Amino acid sequence: GAVVSQHPSRVICKSGTSVKIECRSLDFQATTMFWYRQFPKQSLMLMATSNEGSKATYEQGVEKDKFLINHASLTLSTLTVTSAHPEDSSFYICSARSDRDADNEQFFGPGTRLTVL
Amino acid sequence: GIQVEQSPPDLILQEGANSTLRCNFSDSVNNLQWFHQNPWGQLINLFYIPSGTKQNGRLSATTVATERYSLLYISSSQTTDSGVYFCAVVLSGSARQLTFGSGTQLTVLP
Repeated sequence: GAVVSQHPSRVICKSGTSVKIECRSLDFQATTMFWYRQFPKQSLMLMATSNEGSKATYEQGVEKDKFLINHASLTLSTLTVTSAHPEDSSFYICSARSDRDADNEQFFGPGTRLTVL
Repeated sequence: GIQVEQSPPDLILQEGANSTLRCNFSDSVNNLQWFHQNPWGQLINLFYIPSGTKQNGRLSATTVATERYSLLYISSSQTTDSGVYFCAVVLSGSARQLTFGSGTQLTVLP
C-alpha cells in the first residue's frame, strides 16, 4: 500500500503559540489530502479536505482561520494550528488519495499528538 | 448526513477465537474501507471493499451494498489483533470524503 508520513509525531506547546504539522505522500501523488481530528476514545472527525493548488474546504464548525491548511504540492500538505489553546489538544491525522486511482482508496499517516499546556 | 454504525462497540476474546464485526450504513456508498487502529494510533488499511468478498490471511470482509452492511471476520485471533477497528464509507455522489463509524474496540487476551 501507499505510504503517508506525518511530522512531528508528538508536540507539546504553550498556549498561544502556533504549531505546524506536515503530511507527506511518499510514493504517490496525492491530488487530495484530508485532515482529521480524534479525541480519546472517539472516532475520527473530518476537519477539512484539500486539493493541490486550491483552497481547502472546511467542515462545518471548523474555524478556517484557526486551522490553516496549505496543499502546495502533490506530495505535501500542512496544517497550522494558530494560537493554540488547551482545547485544541488532540490527535491529528492526515490521509491522502490519488484521484488517478480508480478505487479512490485513502491512506493514512501515523498521526500527530498535540498537547497544549 | 450518512450514518455509519458499528457493532459491537467492545469485544473481548481469548486468543485463538473467531469474531465478526459489523458495519451498517444508512445510504448508498461508492467506497467502503476497513481499518485497524493500533495502540500507537496508526490506521492500517485492511480492506477496500465497496461490494463483494475479500480475504487476506486470517481476515476477510464481505459487503452487501444492496442491504447496506459490511462484515469483517477475524479468525484465530492473536493478541496483536487488539485495537480499534473502524469502517468508513464514501457516500454516493459526495465529494468522496470518508465518514467513519464509531469503531469496535477489540481486546484479545493471551
